[in-house]
Amino acid sequence: GAVVSQHPSRVICKSGTSVKIECRSLDFQATTMFWYRQFPKQSLMLMATSNEGSKATYEQGVEKDKFLINHASLTLSTLTVTSAHPEDSSFYICSASGQGRYQPQHFGDGTRLSIL
Amino acid sequence: AQKITQTQPGMFVQEKEAVTLDCTYDTSDPSYGLFWYKQPSSGEMIFLIYQGSYDQQNATEGRYSLNFQKARKSANLVISASQLGDSAMYFCAMRIPSMRFGAGTRLTVKP
Repeated sequence: GAVVSQHPSRVICKSGTSVKIECRSLDFQATTMFWYRQFPKQSLMLMATSNEGSKATYEQGVEKDKFLINHASLTLSTLTVTSAHPEDSSFYICSASGQGRYQPQHFGDGTRLSIL
Repeated sequence: AQKITQTQPGMFVQEKEAVTLDCTYDTSDPSYGLFWYKQPSSGEMIFLIYQGSYDQQNATEGRYSLNFQKARKSANLVISASQLGDSAMYFCAMRIPSMRFGAGTRLTVKP
């Protein structure tokens, strides 16, 4: 099946640091990539959707300047949490799919971000 | 607006028995896809089964089947012959066009 690799799996850093998370589709071309955030014991909340070569579309309430998304190629998207603070601590999961709304989204294994 | 509802925060089932996890949805779009994912405690999202809005038959994948009732806007997941390894969070999701998730159901399989 389709494989999505997300790196790193865990990050612990000081407040004020910027953190970059990478999401790669290893064996298919990801027309669209998605970034989700999940708090403990809650569901996945969509943060943004990005198409290769285009600016990301952010969900209402998600700060564009705080969560920078780049989707420069059909196999790579990055999420940068800028000037991270303790309230940004969460589980971040990327997802990728080919074209078409009937295509399943394939998920990375997630990144657990802890800001001290 | 699209909405996915899972009303069972937690479910228990005896090993080897079947269990149904409920999911209802709301959308005005006639074309949509419904998905179920499993999330073990390790956090990864595992795709289980898919149902398209125009599919005439209920989807099945091994021990997983989807009871799709379009008129009632429900897409319940049925797991047959439960195994201890089935204990996890289960999310119903709808893709129009980005995938959005219900609140989830925590399934615990008892030995």
